[in-house]
Amino acid sequence: DIQMTQSPSSLSASVGDRVTITCRASQSIRHFLNWYQQKPGKAPKLLIYAASTLQSGVPSRFSGSGSGTDFTLTISSLQPEDFATYYCQQTFSTFGQGTRVQI
Amino acid sequence: QITLKEPGPTLVKPTQTLTLTCTFSGFSLSTTGVGVGWIRQPPGKALEWLALLYWDDDERYSPSLKSRLTITKDTSKNQVALTMTDMDPVDTGTYYCAHNKWWETGYSTFDYWGQGTPVTVSS
Repeated sequence: DIQMTQSPSSLSASVGDRVTITCRASQSIRHFLNWYQQKPGKAPKLLIYAASTLQSGVPSRFSGSGSGTDFTLTISSLQPEDFATYYCQQTFSTFGQGTRVQI
Repeated sequence: QITLKEPGPTLVKPTQTLTLTCTFSGFSLSTTGVGVGWIRQPPGKALEWLALLYWDDDERYSPSLKSRLTITKDTSKNQVALTMTDMDPVDTGTYYCAHNKWWETGYSTFDYWGQGTPVTVSS
């Protein structure tokens, strides 16, 4: 199985901060990577697919990059509603362990 | 408008079989590129992908759980069922069903989710 490792597992940030979350695959997955946001008690929400394509309706402050084994999710200016847990997912398979973004 | 709904809370005993049925609306599982999958989340832990079934009957399973899982569909009823055998307390968690969109380029996303249903495994 391909393993997905996110870092950090949690981070503290302030409104307006630029936040970067990293996801590393144990072997190349080309661009087959998705990012999801999950708030407590809610279902996950798709943010980005194909490593860098923004899902319809997702604010442009979210962006994704990377290919092969190393991927990044960036929030350019953190908003109050962005405090949540973020997961990467290899298409058709494993999720990362999550990164909690807290105040 | 796409919606998916899992059943209410479920309690099963260890070694029993769990069956969850997801009922959806707003799309058809006979449409090319459409699938429905199941994902679970133990309390306080990460998401775990379980199974996925496509319009063309292509079934995909988590390798670590494949021997215990079966996913089926009833297109006429707009339902997808997940069966998991030999339940154990570590299988306790919230189980989600989700709409999956597949592109010919190979990309696949869970773009609509149900609200999730709690499953407890306890004697």
